[in-house]
Amino acid sequence: EDQVTQSPEALRLQEGESSSLNCSYTVSGLRGLFWYRQDPGKGPEFLFTLYSAGEEKEKERLKATLTKKESFLHITAPKPEDSATYLCAVQASLSGGYNKLIFGAGTRLAVHP
Amino acid sequence: DTGVSQNPRHKITKRGQNVTFRCDPISEHNRLYWYRQTLGQGPEFLTYFQNEAQLEKSRLLSDRFSAERPKGSFSTLEIQRTEQGDSAMYLCASSLGIMGDSEKLFFGSGTQLSVL
Repeated sequence: EDQVTQSPEALRLQEGESSSLNCSYTVSGLRGLFWYRQDPGKGPEFLFTLYSAGEEKEKERLKATLTKKESFLHITAPKPEDSATYLCAVQASLSGGYNKLIFGAGTRLAVHP
Repeated sequence: DTGVSQNPRHKITKRGQNVTFRCDPISEHNRLYWYRQTLGQGPEFLTYFQNEAQLEKSRLLSDRFSAERPKGSFSTLEIQRTEQGDSAMYLCASSLGIMGDSEKLFFGSGTQLSVL
């Protein structure tokens, strides 16, 4: 069964303290791995799509990487405005030709000044 | 482009009542998805529309749930005879549908349903 596990469940950082979030997955043929950010009371907001092992993408203080079994979201010198829940999702190759995503439970990140 | 719009933002109902939610996708998007999210969990896929055709329904979508997308524009999700276990955030997402299946989804802010 396709599955996504994120760790840690929650992470508290001081402003400027870099860290990484983990997303491990088991899927029958990976078509894409997605990272989303979700603020309280809002829907998920797209950050990155990764397609193959070794791929990396960056946006401001965030960098996402992908291996054959897991993905990391690295946060460099975070600021309080980076506080949110970060969701990882996979699209399996048997998803029927459209983007039916399987989400992990997310990592709740709190960055304190 | 005003993004994906969902109404109402919040709905409180009594067990056994019917509720209906509306989603207005981004205007040029022909793919529309419904997801459900409970506290502390990630969104779970419910159903998918390509234009007006409903192409897949999750087993999570019991026969009390029905979704429509008339004319391939807005979509409604109706829950009949609500149960307390239906309490969740119902998220709508849309995508363009011409860039291949690994395109990003744009989510609305959701409808938070509370069943008392």
